[in-house]
Amino acid sequence: SQQGEEDPQALSIQEGENATMNCSYKTSINNLQWYRQNSGRGLVHLILIRSNEREKHSGRLRVTLDTSKKSSSLLITASRAADTASYFCATDAYSGYSTLTFGKGTMLLVSP
Amino acid sequence: EPEVTQTPSHQVTQMGQEVILRCVPISNHLYFYWYRQILGQKVEFLVSFYNNEISEKSEIFDDQFSVERPDGSNFTLKIRSTKLEDSAMYFCASRTGTGVNEQFFGPGTRLTVL
Repeated sequence: SQQGEEDPQALSIQEGENATMNCSYKTSINNLQWYRQNSGRGLVHLILIRSNEREKHSGRLRVTLDTSKKSSSLLITASRAADTASYFCATDAYSGYSTLTFGKGTMLLVSP
Repeated sequence: EPEVTQTPSHQVTQMGQEVILRCVPISNHLYFYWYRQILGQKVEFLVSFYNNEISEKSEIFDDQFSVERPDGSNFTLKIRSTKLEDSAMYFCASRTGTGVNEQFFGPGTRLTVL
């Protein structure tokens, strides 16, 4: 798989349920970031987790990072219809200038 | 809250024409980036810019592409002779350069090459 591969590719849930998206990567990283993109729109930064952190929370978001498995997960709790979007992980791999490498994303659909 | 802005939101051009995409990064940021996203595909890095010069570029960023910071606020991406495969959403991003490396993205310019 390529750097920053998310799974599942698509996820459909009901409002109130939790949504979990996973990301795997190949190289050593400085940090990993999650972004949201509403259809045809720009990228909104959600959360950043550094390589020496294992878990981070922000509101209804919980991100974990396992550097030994080169994987991360994004959990959205108590999902809302407004959470419907594509979610991307992006790795910052010590390039010196923090170039981000994005995965293909998970498309989340939250139905009312 | 400060944000990255991009103009135009949508640009339609004929193959072979030159286009300039404009970005205004957040004012105290020091690092600037261009990424692109072909429809249905992943976001790809094009180029990073720091201290008035290109710091990194990808294989995509060939001689047809150039970037410039003509004044203290604008950051532009020029495509000299557009090809059909240049059709994509182009995102500008910036970051402070100190501490954590969160990048702030603009809303994007959708480029359509006919």
